[in-house]
Amino acid sequence: QSALTQPASVSGSPGQSITISCTGSSSDVGGYNYVSWYQQRPGKAPKLMIYEVSNRPSGVSNRFSGSKSGNTASLTISGLQAEDEADYYCSSYTSSSTLEFGGGTKLTVL
Amino acid sequence: EVQPVESGGGLVQPGGSLKLSCAASGFTFSGSAMHWVRQASGKGLEWVGRIRSKANNYATAYAASVKGRFTISRDDSKNTAYLQMNSLKSEDTAVYYCSNGKDVWGQGTTVTVSS
Repeated sequence: QSALTQPASVSGSPGQSITISCTGSSSDVGGYNYVSWYQQRPGKAPKLMIYEVSNRPSGVSNRFSGSKSGNTASLTISGLQAEDEADYYCSSYTSSSTLEFGGGTKLTVL
Repeated sequence: EVQPVESGGGLVQPGGSLKLSCAASGFTFSGSAMHWVRQASGKGLEWVGRIRSKANNYATAYAASVKGRFTISRDDSKNTAYLQMNSLKSEDTAVYYCSNGKDVWGQGTTVTVSS
């Protein structure tokens, strides 16, 4: 069981917006602004989409945005596209100076 | 392209040992923390551990599931990080990735623990 809780799956139609949540505790998500989001396609390495809660790396579409409220971080994808279909993982720095991942969320574009 | 290359994976019997390598280029390896992350087939990502830079005293940290069995080290002169895995169990079977903990990830190397 992962320390960070994500929904197992979410879905949306092209053009819609979806939000994936990542719930932790005050010892991780709530205590630090070091939450990242990764996209992973089958057979590929994870790709960083958001770092430090809400920052986008160069080259990542501005359709991807991140936020945090209390112990829950969120990834929002707007204007959903077929190419967004993938697994998404959140990660957070912890009070033990470790890193932890959420269980992952499978995004299906209908 | 900035992408580390992992090597050293393979088939090992339970109780055995294996040492993975992560050869990096294209970024300031010596100034970066390096992490190992694994993924069992069909499962999610699991953080294994990390080693910080020389400036941070090469401090290491490990997940509870591997603490005492796995050791991370690095050789900045070779731009290479290592993961020494001892007392391997079947549940250690996974693809092992090295990463800078941010935007740089290798393609992974597969470790299978089976008799």
